[in-house]
Amino acid sequence: DQQVKQNSPSLSVQEGRISILNCDYTNSMFDYFLWYKKYPAEGPTFLISISSIKDKNEDGRFTVFLNKSAKHLSLHIVPSQPGDSAVYFCAASVINTGTASKLTFGTGTRLQVTL
Amino acid sequence: DAGVTQSPTHLIKTRGQQVTLRCSPKSGHDTVSWYQQALGQGPQFIFQYYEEEERQRGNFPDRFSGHQFPNYSSELNVNALLLGDSALYLCASSLRQGGYEQYFGPGTRLTVT
Repeated sequence: DQQVKQNSPSLSVQEGRISILNCDYTNSMFDYFLWYKKYPAEGPTFLISISSIKDKNEDGRFTVFLNKSAKHLSLHIVPSQPGDSAVYFCAASVINTGTASKLTFGTGTRLQVTL
Repeated sequence: DAGVTQSPTHLIKTRGQQVTLRCSPKSGHDTVSWYQQALGQGPQFIFQYYEEEERQRGNFPDRFSGHQFPNYSSELNVNALLLGDSALYLCASSLRQGGYEQYFGPGTRLTVT
C-alpha cells in the first residue's frame, strides 16, 4: 500500500523556467510533509518542509504548497538551475508529541534541468 | 559541523552471511533512524532508536536488528542475508524533541550475491 505517491517518474525543464513536482498521499493522519533532493551516490538532502496547519511555505527559490482536502502537495522551483537536476522525494510523517517520527517516502521524481 | 556519517561505503556479502552497518549522527542529534532504499524506490523505514532503545519499527523481519550506543551512534545488523537485501541503507539523525526534519548520511551500498 503506497501511502505517498509521486506519479511522475521524470520531468525535464529548461533552465530559468519553473519546475513543479507533485505528490499525493492517502493517509489522512499525516500532518508534516518534507521534500528531499538526492544526487547519485549521496544520501537525501533536506530541502523544505510544511506543517498541515499551513498551505504554503517558501524558502528562496523553493516553495511547497499543501492542499489538505485533495491530499496533494507540490514543490515549485523558480527559477530552475542545472544544479537542481536530481531525484526529488516527497515524504510524510505523523508528528508525535516531542518525538521525531518515521518518514514515509514516495518513489521519487527525476528532474532534469536543461540549458 | 559534522553531518551524518556511515561506514562502510560499499559492502559485498554472500547469501546467508551476517552484516553490520554503522552510523554516527549529526552533532547534537540524539535519535537515529534506519531506512532501506531498493533500486528505483523511495527509502523504506526500518526502525528508530533513541535513549538506546528501539522506539518504532517498520515492516521488516526480525533478521534486521539494531543498537544505539551512549554516544548516540548506531549499528544496523542483518542476519541470514537474502539476495533481496541488496539495497542502499541510509541512516538519518534527528532531535527527539521537536526534530521533525531528519538528516541523512551518504548510505551504505550492500550487495548480496
